[in-house]
Amino acid sequence: ILNVEQSPQSLHVQEGDSTNFTCSFPSSNFYALHWYRWETAKSPEALFVMTLNGDEKKKGRISATLNTKEGYSYLYIKGSQPEDSATYLCAFRDSGYALNFGKGTSLLVTP
Amino acid sequence: EPEVTQTPSHQVTQMGQEVILRCVPISNHLYFYWYRQILGQKVEFLVSFYNNEISEKSEIFDDQFSVERPDGSNFTLKIRSTKLEDSAMYFCASSDYRGSSYNSPLHFGNGTRLTVT
Repeated sequence: ILNVEQSPQSLHVQEGDSTNFTCSFPSSNFYALHWYRWETAKSPEALFVMTLNGDEKKKGRISATLNTKEGYSYLYIKGSQPEDSATYLCAFRDSGYALNFGKGTSLLVTP
Repeated sequence: EPEVTQTPSHQVTQMGQEVILRCVPISNHLYFYWYRQILGQKVEFLVSFYNNEISEKSEIFDDQFSVERPDGSNFTLKIRSTKLEDSAMYFCASSDYRGSSYNSPLHFGNGTRLTVT
């Protein structure tokens, strides 16, 4: 079992605040790191797939960085909006087909 | 935008009964998966399926579980004799091939909530 840890477990911010979460994963046998956004009663939606050390990806106000040597990734949300409220999941992939998920960070953005 | 569809959205069954969970993946995708989430726990991998055969399975995916792609569009998960601990949200997912399967995000369905009583 590959240990993927996410912190914090939950976060409550005000609209307009910027925030970030952490995902730590095994630094050996790394192939890919995925981030998903999961709104209640919907399906998880892919945000980023990152494969190279030093990767930085951006989608609107959301961005992510990757450090495979030390085994962590950060997800940043700039100027949080209420519609950003969701659970953010990261998942690590080694040489197999399986994604190993963290427990997620639950974000609540209030107006 | 094409999406993965799962039926039923909720299934209640008695312990020992067989259940079949159904999924229609995105049509041009090549890789198919089942995951599950027991309430309060992490999303867990069950099985991956490629080129009409299982490519990887987890320890959870024992002899009680099987998968099938009977007609080239549906992808089913069968649990032969359900146990109480099989109660979970089951997600189907599919992905395409972008030079490597590693680069491809998974597209998830909305899930089937299975309740075993």
